[in-house]
Amino acid sequence: EVQLVESGGGLFKPGESLRLSCAASGFPFNRRTMNWVRQSPERGLEWVAYISPSSVYIHYADSVMGRATISRDASLQSLYLDMTGLRDEDTGTYYCARDWGNGDLDLWGRGTLVAVSS
Amino acid sequence: DIQLTQSPSIISASEGDRVIITCRASQDISRYLAWYHQRPGQAPKLLLYMGSSVRREVPSRFSGSGSGTEFTLTITGLLPEDFGTYYCQQVKDYPRTCSFAQGTKVDVK
Repeated sequence: EVQLVESGGGLFKPGESLRLSCAASGFPFNRRTMNWVRQSPERGLEWVAYISPSSVYIHYADSVMGRATISRDASLQSLYLDMTGLRDEDTGTYYCARDWGNGDLDLWGRGTLVAVSS
Repeated sequence: DIQLTQSPSIISASEGDRVIITCRASQDISRYLAWYHQRPGQAPKLLLYMGSSVRREVPSRFSGSGSGTEFTLTITGLLPEDFGTYYCQQVKDYPRTCSFAQGTKVDVK
């Protein structure tokens, strides 16, 4: 089955770190550009990070620049998002999403919920 | 940064209605615009890309138009499964950045 499954969400305190994972199956993961997108009632849908198939090209939203690291493991067919210095505004549902072409995201996971609160 | 504004924020509609949603960009984005539909508790689903190209699996009642700074999504003959929230996304500067609008909720009149 073609799917993406995120994990790693939970309740975190401001300043803490997290690692989100996304397990891909049913398609050639190693040939596809991937993204992280988050969603919250306050900020709506917000693109977070991009990684090319070979990991050569990586981009981040200004809101997470310097605090986030996107990575991927071809052998495990997995995508990751590491974030440090968590802030209240990082609260939201984090989705991994496959790029069908030029940023059109055609496959999304069900999301993992991250709550940052003291 | 390119800002997107959708209107209206909420549409109350009935089955069979024609629904039109507008998305405006703060600067020229050519046709680098996609539309998504999200049902409660689910992830967004890609409907259209490049302003007017409908994904193969998306029903023909969905159509899009526009270029530059103004775009529309039209649903002709609303069905129960079409209720939910619709978002436009600009990808003009992707992968350096991209952004979504705040969404338009289509609910039952």
